[in-house]
Amino acid sequence: EVQLVESGGGLVKPGGSLRLSCAASGFTFSSYSMNWVRQAPGKGLEWVSSITSSSSYRYYADSVKGRFTISRDNAKNSLYLQMTSLRAEDTAVYFCGRAMYGSGDYWGQGTLVTVSS
Amino acid sequence: DIVMTQTPLSSPVTLGQPASISCRSSQSLVHSDGNTYLSWLQQRPGQPPRLLIYKISNRFSGVPDRFSGSGAGTDFTLKISRVEAEDVGVYYCMQGTQFPYTFGQGTKLEIK
Repeated sequence: EVQLVESGGGLVKPGGSLRLSCAASGFTFSSYSMNWVRQAPGKGLEWVSSITSSSSYRYYADSVKGRFTISRDNAKNSLYLQMTSLRAEDTAVYFCGRAMYGSGDYWGQGTLVTVSS
Repeated sequence: DIVMTQTPLSSPVTLGQPASISCRSSQSLVHSDGNTYLSWLQQRPGQPPRLLIYKISNRFSGVPDRFSGSGAGTDFTLKISRVEAEDVGVYYCMQGTQFPYTFGQGTKLEIK
């Protein structure tokens, strides 16, 4: 069974940093590209970042480019999102998803990031 | 960036009746590999997204056959043949043809 479990969310002050993790199991993690998507409170879904299976290519939304870094450790079956210079508008639930079909076929339950002073 | 526009944004439906959601993209979603990466996701209250349909019309594993997708180029439709209570939630179209990936605004399906 495919499982994705996010962790690392919490309350952080504006300008602060946070590192999200996504632990994958139930599939060959190293064979799949992965996505991060977020959802601000009461709002719709927003794609954040994607990374290919061997980390050769990384893509970012303009809203996070230069502040967020996506990475992975295939030996640990883990996906990461390093977030710096956080802003109030980064407050959201962050979901990791397995990339398939130009979409995401499996998604974690999400981790909440709150940026507030 | 490709803009995805969904209509309607809210859809009250009677149980057992059909429902339809439209999604229009600001440019063609045909990829250079010949595929059209248009998908539909469902998000029930308090839940993560769930993939329903990929590449316009392919139902994902475990998705009931009352869900169907159609369309081409820039115009796409999700249809539910007979709405059930468990279908309540928000439905999103998403394009994965070109980065940045983009979602529609979401359509809230509710029971009358």
